[in-house]
Amino acid sequence: KQEVTQIPAALSVPEGENLVLNCSFTDSAIYNLQWFRQDPGKGLTSLLLIQSSQREQTSGRLNASLDKSSGRSTLYIAASQPGDSATYLCAVLITGANSKLTFGKGITLSVRP
Amino acid sequence: DGGITQSPKYLFRKEGQNVTLSCEQNLNHDAMYWYRQDPGQGLRLIYYSQIVNDFQKGDIAEGYSVSREKKESFPLTVTSAQKNPTAFYLCASSPDRGYGYTFGSGTRLTVV
Repeated sequence: KQEVTQIPAALSVPEGENLVLNCSFTDSAIYNLQWFRQDPGKGLTSLLLIQSSQREQTSGRLNASLDKSSGRSTLYIAASQPGDSATYLCAVLITGANSKLTFGKGITLSVRP
Repeated sequence: DGGITQSPKYLFRKEGQNVTLSCEQNLNHDAMYWYRQDPGQGLRLIYYSQIVNDFQKGDIAEGYSVSREKKESFPLTVTSAQKNPTAFYLCASSPDRGYGYTFGSGTRLTVV
């Protein structure tokens, strides 16, 4: 059974810092990996999707990398801003006809002004 | 704009009552999903549907039911058999397995 782990559960950084959020998964037979952002009381917003054949994806100040062999993904946020404060979740889709997205519990990020 | 609409945003249920959460998408996606989110537990899959008139149980289907009569709609009924229904419910859709999921804004259900 696929398990997705995100450590630490919470992180507080000063504004302007570059930071890395980690995600690990136990089954390397993944189809893709997706990073989401969730603001309090809101739904999930997709940030980046990495297919299994890709190593990284970039969008603005965000860069996500994928290393299937080691079961790890990182989300890099450059020059963090208070508006980046949210919970960041990673989710993996494993191969197989009826596979479903499996989520980590998320990392709650607070960027201090 | 294309997206997923969940309604209502807040819902209150009395003991022994069934309630239905609405999920509608205009993205022309084939697959739709229902997740439950509890503090400290992450998202857990309740039901999913890959095609009209077909759906499958997820990891925590007991006490829930769904239907998929139209491609655009995937309503979730929380029955009185669900003993602890208070949670945040999220609906999602995807065009195909190879593509990303799009989520709605959620419904917060509270038992009163």
